[in-house]
Amino acid sequence: AQSVTQLGSHVSVSEGALVLLRCNYSSSVPPYLFWYVQYPNQGLQLLLKYTSAATLVKGINGFEAEFKKSETSFHLTKPSAHMSDAAEYFCAVKTQGGSEKLVFGKGTKLTVNP
Amino acid sequence: DAGVIQSPRHEVTEMGQEVTLRCKPISGHDYLFWYRQTMMRGLELLIYFNNNVPIDDSGMPEDRFSAKMPNASFSTLKIQPSEPRDSAVYFCASSLRLGAGPNTEAFFGQGTRLTVV
Repeated sequence: AQSVTQLGSHVSVSEGALVLLRCNYSSSVPPYLFWYVQYPNQGLQLLLKYTSAATLVKGINGFEAEFKKSETSFHLTKPSAHMSDAAEYFCAVKTQGGSEKLVFGKGTKLTVNP
Repeated sequence: DAGVIQSPRHEVTEMGQEVTLRCKPISGHDYLFWYRQTMMRGLELLIYFNNNVPIDDSGMPEDRFSAKMPNASFSTLKIQPSEPRDSAVYFCASSLRLGAGPNTEAFFGQGTRLTVV
């Protein structure tokens, strides 16, 4: 069964600094991978997704993620953090061609300090 | 489209009472998911439907939980009787078949915050 591990339940960065949120997945077959963002008292919103096309995926709000099969990773990055990026971020995995189950990691809460 | 609509946004109920959460998916989507979010367990998939038919309910915690989808535009999640440990945020999401095409991701509602006292 597929699973997702997000390293670091809390990450704190300064405004303007690099954002790096880590995600490792486990899947016996090629996966689809997703990053979602959740603002307080809101639902989840898609940031970006990997579906076996380009390994470097660009999303909304300046975020991007790189699929690395050898490392089973899909880390999320943004070159320069903005105060509005403060939120909780979730990585999710679904196996291609299989069940429609979308399995989420535990989430990483990002704090951006002025 | 207004997106996935959930009601109520907040629900406070007493232990032992029946609770019904409602969801209206995005028109045209043929998959509907119910998730539960807690601090301890994160986001858990409870059940999902395809074309109104329950496909996988292995995440439903126990018989007190039931979900229905009587038509393509409406689903309910019912807890009877409710217990304090059911307190959580419940999300409904809908999608086309998850995949590579545009807009094939899961779209989430705003959630229902349930408190059982």
